[in-house]
Amino acid sequence: AQSVTQPDIHITVSEGASLELRCNYSYGATPYLFWYVQSPGQGLQLLLKYFSGDTLVQGIKGFEAEFKRSQSSFNLRKPSVHWSDAAEYFCAVGARGNQKVTFGTGTKLQVIP
Amino acid sequence: DSGVTQTPKHLITATGQRVTLRCSPRSGDLSVYWYQQSLDQGLQFLIHYYNGEERAKGNILERFSAQQFPDLHSELNLSSLELGDSALYFCASSVDLAGGLNEQFFGPGTRLTVL
Repeated sequence: AQSVTQPDIHITVSEGASLELRCNYSYGATPYLFWYVQSPGQGLQLLLKYFSGDTLVQGIKGFEAEFKRSQSSFNLRKPSVHWSDAAEYFCAVGARGNQKVTFGTGTKLQVIP
Repeated sequence: DSGVTQTPKHLITATGQRVTLRCSPRSGDLSVYWYQQSLDQGLQFLIHYYNGEERAKGNILERFSAQQFPDLHSELNLSSLELGDSALYFCASSVDLAGGLNEQFFGPGTRLTVL
């Protein structure tokens, strides 16, 4: 069965600082990996996805993520955080041919001035 | 705007009642997914429909049911409501292509409060 672990429940960073949110997945074959962002009171918005090919994936809002098969990780990064990035971030894993997507428990990002 | 619409936005009801949540997928999407998001359980997958047929079930209670209609909109029915059913209910839709491309687009959610 596929699963996702986001070990950090809450992260606080200063505006302008770099950000890395951790995600580890468990799946027997090549996974589909996603990062979603949820602002307060809003639905989830897709930031980026990895299906195959280049392991460094660029997304919207200046985010990127790197797929590392050897570490079963798909960490999300941003070089310089803006106050508007404060939100909750969800990593998710899906399976080829199987429409079920499993979400992690989320990481809440707080940005301080 | 993801293109997925959900109604109502808010719903307040009493224990023991029955409610229906509605979702319209993005134009062209055949798949609809329902999720429940609560503080203690996180984002939980409930059920998936593809072109009117149930494809997968997750942690959906027997008191809950769903269907997808010929026009592809979907409804989630929640009955014999309990306090613990208070949550955000999200609908998502996706295009199912050969090979399983399953990027999901989420609606804004329905906030259900059971008093």
